[in-house]
Amino acid sequence: AQKITQTQPGMFVQEKEAVTLDCTYDTSDQSYGLFWYKQPSSGEMIFLIYQGSYDEQNATEGRYSLNFQKARKSANLVISASQLGDSAMYFCAMREDQTGANNLFFGTGTRLTVIP
Amino acid sequence: DAGVIQSPRHEVTEMGQEVTLRCKPISGHNSLFWYRQTMMRGLELLIYFNNNVPIDDSGMPEDRFSAKMPNASFSTLKIQPSEPRDSAVYFCASSNPAYEQYFGPGTRLTVT
Repeated sequence: AQKITQTQPGMFVQEKEAVTLDCTYDTSDQSYGLFWYKQPSSGEMIFLIYQGSYDEQNATEGRYSLNFQKARKSANLVISASQLGDSAMYFCAMREDQTGANNLFFGTGTRLTVIP
Repeated sequence: DAGVIQSPRHEVTEMGQEVTLRCKPISGHNSLFWYRQTMMRGLELLIYFNNNVPIDDSGMPEDRFSAKMPNASFSTLKIQPSEPRDSAVYFCASSNPAYEQYFGPGTRLTVT
């Protein structure tokens, strides 16, 4: 089974509008971490935001927020006030802590296009 | 900090040749990861090291691939012999345990 599922291959959003990118995860660990990365057309992978499974508050970093719904096993990324520079691929990832392993499981990504 | 450094940024080689990709992690990070990204398979973890020791190499495709980390500031990923299906972007990332991974700019490998 896929550990990270991103069901939206592509999304469009009008500039200055908010957009939500979906991510669901599958784990039996009680302790885990959830991450979002941005990959612009230049190819680099840029860390955006992190949410720990025991964090009670949703993580926020500037215009990025993570809508964490533990019971639904979802970790959606919300980008507010979209900018043209937000056009990129976005990857959701998870780290499972129970095994002590430090690797991330990535989803297939969502390509976001911001329309002027 | 300079971030994760990878070299070369682009590599074009002929089938059968040996390819060596290099990575310098962020100073102080004790975990290092090698990923491969293709359109067909997305991002795949190849191998990762903790404190220079390989922890999980189950993602290494086959014996043609090998990775080393002789010290805390350097790692190599070697493909010998290379094949056209190895064409991909190879990323190196580093982190401290339980923290986010920081990725290098990647090496775009083309095997003709």
